[in-house]
Amino acid sequence: EAGVAQSPRYKIIEKRQSVAFWCNPISGHATLYWYQQILGQGPKLLIQFQNNGVVDDSQLPKDRFSAERLKGVDSTLKIQPAKLEDSAVYLCASSVTDRAIYEQYFGPGTRLTVT
Amino acid sequence: AQSVAQPEDQVNVAEGNPLTVKCTYSVSGNPYLFWYVQYPNRGLQFLLKYITGDNLVKGSYGFEAEFNKSQTSFHLKKPSALVSDSALYFCAVSPLPQAGTALIFGKGTTLSVSS
Repeated sequence: EAGVAQSPRYKIIEKRQSVAFWCNPISGHATLYWYQQILGQGPKLLIQFQNNGVVDDSQLPKDRFSAERLKGVDSTLKIQPAKLEDSAVYLCASSVTDRAIYEQYFGPGTRLTVT
Repeated sequence: AQSVAQPEDQVNVAEGNPLTVKCTYSVSGNPYLFWYVQYPNRGLQFLLKYITGDNLVKGSYGFEAEFNKSQTSFHLKKPSALVSDSALYFCAVSPLPQAGTALIFGKGTTLSVSS
């Protein structure tokens, strides 16, 4: 089966600019996650969707980050305006459902550099 | 606070020798535990998980992990390391599996296998 797709793979922007990342999960997966992975750290959850509804966005910096999952399939994560500390790899993952017994499948990530 | 600790930043082993990558966790209740591997410029790949039952869990590529509830540990092991096992390994926990929450990751351990 096709894996989780993400684009772009790399992005370089200046601080205060905006950027958007796209994710296409595995077909049929109801749950979609966005993680932020800062260099030298493990991934940290930003937001979790179940179909097109938000389950957990407690760690999403809502003053600058936004995400949506229209129609319960693809998702977009946006940063506006970007800060230097947003430099990280943004990982999208999906799973069959939101029960933890089902493992998550990760995309290749988008590496963001903010200068 | 709920957390996962990987005490070693790097583990070095010679090819053919056994390897162990350590992980301890601090969560309440009965968590689900996972190991993921990350190769350069690629997303995280699922290796194995502990849900319940036998404390020794077998996973992909010959890896296994031992769950020890009294020591709150979930160490990753392999009897004979390969050079191709060199990668970044993450331990993760789902602290409230019944609620289906997202994973909490350790900071990762780099495994280097020399020929």
